[in-house]
Amino acid sequence: EVQLVQSGAEVKKPGESLKISCKGSGYSFASYVIGWVRQMPGRGLEWMGIIYPSDSDTRYSPSFQGQVTISADKSIGTAYLQWSSLKASDTAMYYCASLSGTTGNFDYWGQGTLVTVSS
Amino acid sequence: DIQMTQSPSSLSASVGDRVIITCRASQGISTYLAWFQQKPGKAPRSLIYAASSLQSGVPSKFSGSGSGTDFTLTISNLQPEDFATYYCQQYNSYPPKFGQGTKVEIK
Repeated sequence: EVQLVQSGAEVKKPGESLKISCKGSGYSFASYVIGWVRQMPGRGLEWMGIIYPSDSDTRYSPSFQGQVTISADKSIGTAYLQWSSLKASDTAMYYCASLSGTTGNFDYWGQGTLVTVSS
Repeated sequence: DIQMTQSPSSLSASVGDRVIITCRASQGISTYLAWFQQKPGKAPRSLIYAASSLQSGVPSKFSGSGSGTDFTLTISNLQPEDFATYYCQQYNSYPPKFGQGTKVEIK
């Protein structure tokens, strides 16, 4: 069974750094794209970027380019999303999702990591 | 970037009703269109891929149609567990893009 398990909720202050994780199991992690999605409170879903774990090739959606860094360690089946300097506007739920080789879309989702940035 | 426009943004319906949600892409995406259901506090759940193919385990009350730029999601015999927010999403080209969502509420 494919599972994506994300790290726990975080409470941070503006200007702090943060790295959250998404660990895949039950499939060949390196073989399928992982994406990150933001959902701000009461708002819709936004794709932030994707990574190919096999070679760490990364693509960012224009709105998120330069704002976050996506990385992966295929040896431990884990993808990461990190910020170097958080803002209050980064307060949101963040989901990772994995591409399905069967459907070609992001069918498998983590449970989400809530990030709260407040002074 | 391809833009996705859903309508309506919200609707009220009764148990047993049939509801139709539409999604329009700003340019042709063939059938690279998926539908997701999201309940409060939960991750999105994939319902339909390739515009009309039902995900494994999803009841047949959900159906999708369309190709090119215009798509629909139909939910038949609405039940209490179907009240949620529904999103379309194109995956024809990067970046993938969601519609703004349609909240289905109980009348």
